[in-house]
Amino acid sequence: GAGVSQSPSNKVTEKGKDVELRCDPISGHTALYWYRQSLGQGLEFLIYFQGNSAPDKSGLPSDRFSAERTGGSVSTLTIQRTQQEDSAVYLCASSKEREPQHFGDGTRLSIL
Amino acid sequence: EDQVTQSPEALRLQEGESSSLNCSYTVSGLRGLFWYRQDPGKGPEFLFTLYSAGEEKEKERLKATLTKKESFLHITAPKPEDSATYLCAVQDHNFNKFYFGSGTKLNVKP
Repeated sequence: GAGVSQSPSNKVTEKGKDVELRCDPISGHTALYWYRQSLGQGLEFLIYFQGNSAPDKSGLPSDRFSAERTGGSVSTLTIQRTQQEDSAVYLCASSKEREPQHFGDGTRLSIL
Repeated sequence: EDQVTQSPEALRLQEGESSSLNCSYTVSGLRGLFWYRQDPGKGPEFLFTLYSAGEEKEKERLKATLTKKESFLHITAPKPEDSATYLCAVQDHNFNKFYFGSGTKLNVKP
C-alpha cells in the first residue's frame, strides 16, 4: 500500500525566500508529525496534528515556521525568510493514534 | 526534561560478530520505546515497540529488550545488509511527542 509521501524530495533556495514542504500521510492515519534532521543528528520534533484537535506547535524553532493540515489529511510546512541554519532534512510521519509512526523519505532543504 | 541517549555513536563489526546497541532514557512516564532503522537518504523504518520493563521483541537477527532506564538492540551474527543507522525514540505520557536519540551508525563488513 501507499506510504507517507513527501514533496519535493530536494529543494534548493536562496536565503530569504519562503519554502513550502508537502506531506501526504497514509490514508486513515489521524496523527501527523513533522521533524527536522540535521546532518548526523537525531530527529527534532517540530509539530504534531491529531484529528481535529489544536496542533502541538511547541517544537517550532521560530515564528518563521508554520504548518497546517487541511481536511485532516495533507499537511504543508512553511518556512518564511529562510536562513542557512534551516538547511536540513524535513521528515513527516503519520500514525493511527497510539501506534508507531511511519515516515516518508523527507525533503532535503538546502539554503544557499 | 525528557532525554534519549544512544551509544555508541558508531559501531564497526565484522560479518558474524554479534554486539549490542544501547539506548538510555529519562522520561516522565514512558508510554512506549521504539526502535527504527534508517538507511541513507531514507526515512526511518519501524522495527519494534516495547512498552514495559522486561519486555523483549525479536525480528530476524535483531532482538530488543527494555529495562526501566534503558533498552538494548542486540544484533546476532550481523550481515552487511544490517548496516544502517539505528534510532531509538521514547513516547511520553502525553502521547503527543516522541523524543529521538542521535542514533548509532552500524557498519558491518564482509
